Amino acid sequence: DTAVSQTPKYLVTQMGNDKSIKCEQNLGHDTMYWYKQDSKKFLKIMFSYNNKELIINETVPNRFSPKSPDKAHLNLHINSLELGDSAVYFCASEVAGGRETQYFGPGTRLLVL
Amino acid sequence: SQKIEQNSEALNIQEGKTATLTCNYTNYSPAYLQWYRQDPGRGPVFLLLIRENEKEKRKERLKVTFDTTLKQSLFHITASQPADSATYLCALEGYNFNKFYFGSGTKLNVKP
Repeated sequence: DTAVSQTPKYLVTQMGNDKSIKCEQNLGHDTMYWYKQDSKKFLKIMFSYNNKELIINETVPNRFSPKSPDKAHLNLHINSLELGDSAVYFCASEVAGGRETQYFGPGTRLLVL
Repeated sequence: SQKIEQNSEALNIQEGKTATLTCNYTNYSPAYLQWYRQDPGRGPVFLLLIRENEKEKRKERLKVTFDTTLKQSLFHITASQPADSATYLCALEGYNFNKFYFGSGTKLNVKP
């Protein structure tokens, strides 16, 4: 069983479109994250949720809207996609509240044309 | 703002040798430092965690040191194998819970 799964794995879309990425973890963790990894391989935190509550929002454009329907799921909706949004987006989960190992999903490769 | 630096050049070593990777940071006082391994097309995988009051941590062939005076962590892989070839990322977490900052990683190539 995959611990942290993401769908889709690949996403190719036109500029201006709206798209969503889904993440699910079956580890029973309370905390989930979205990260963006750019072409230079920097992994940058975007959002963190603890038990469905948003606790970190790292100066991300408001075109990005996370949503956590329950603590096992964290989705990311992106409006009006731009070329600069092209990157790999990773979901991760953690037991609770920091100070712990993060478990990453396989990533969603987004290409905006 | 905080800055985390890892050697952007790939590290090429011969099988059996010890690989040493460096993570330097500035403008930050991390409470924890973690090392992750990332293979192409995959998400990072946790390897080791070291706390600010610990100097060294070991796990099998892996060893991490943490020098808060030098603001540096060293990651060692002894008796390296071709299967150790991957990108290694360091991540720092401060006293603000849940906020991890990652370096850009160093690619390690172990040649048979």
